[in-house]
Amino acid sequence: GAVVSQHPSRVICKSGTSVKIECRSLDFQATTMFWYRQFPKQSLMLMATSNEGSKATYEQGVEKDKFLINHASLTLSTLTVTSAHPEDSSFYICSASRQGRGRTEAFFGQGTRLTVV
Amino acid sequence: SQQGEEDPQALSIQEGENATMNCSYKTSINNLQWYRQNSGRGLVHLILIRSNEREKHSGRLRVTLDTSKKSSSLLITASRAADTASYFCATASMNTGFQKLVFGTGTRLLVSP
Repeated sequence: GAVVSQHPSRVICKSGTSVKIECRSLDFQATTMFWYRQFPKQSLMLMATSNEGSKATYEQGVEKDKFLINHASLTLSTLTVTSAHPEDSSFYICSASRQGRGRTEAFFGQGTRLTVV
Repeated sequence: SQQGEEDPQALSIQEGENATMNCSYKTSINNLQWYRQNSGRGLVHLILIRSNEREKHSGRLRVTLDTSKKSSSLLITASRAADTASYFCATASMNTGFQKLVFGTGTRLLVSP
């Protein structure tokens, strides 16, 4: 099956610094990728839709200047958490969509555990 | 919030027993999917059921869908310790362009040997 690779799997950073998370579709082209955030023992909350070649679409309440998304190619989307603070500590997961077999399939990355100290 | 609800929030059973998880959602959907997540890991797709389907099977998994009640259930038969994980339903709808998934709150399943 299709594989989506997310990197890094874990990152610890200091308050005030920025962190970049990469999401790659390894064997298919993804015009659309999604970024989710998950707090401990909670569900996935969609943060934004990453569109190749155009601006990302952010969900209500998500600060676009805080969470910068770049989808520069059909296989790569990046999420940059700028000026990170401890409250940004969370599990971030990306997904990429592929059209096929009469439906759209979503494939998820392994997730990135961000800890801001 | 468009997020779906799942119950129970947590379920603890013995190996060999069946586990049933329920999901309710709020909008009209194109399909409903169930995912599994091991602690601190990504999501694994389990099964997809379309809005015009009522029941679907995959191995030890059985999913039902009742669009009139906007609800779905996931049944895992003859559970194993390795089934211990969190299970999430997710819906796709025309309103969100089919690709965007709205996740339920999840059920944490613990299967004891």
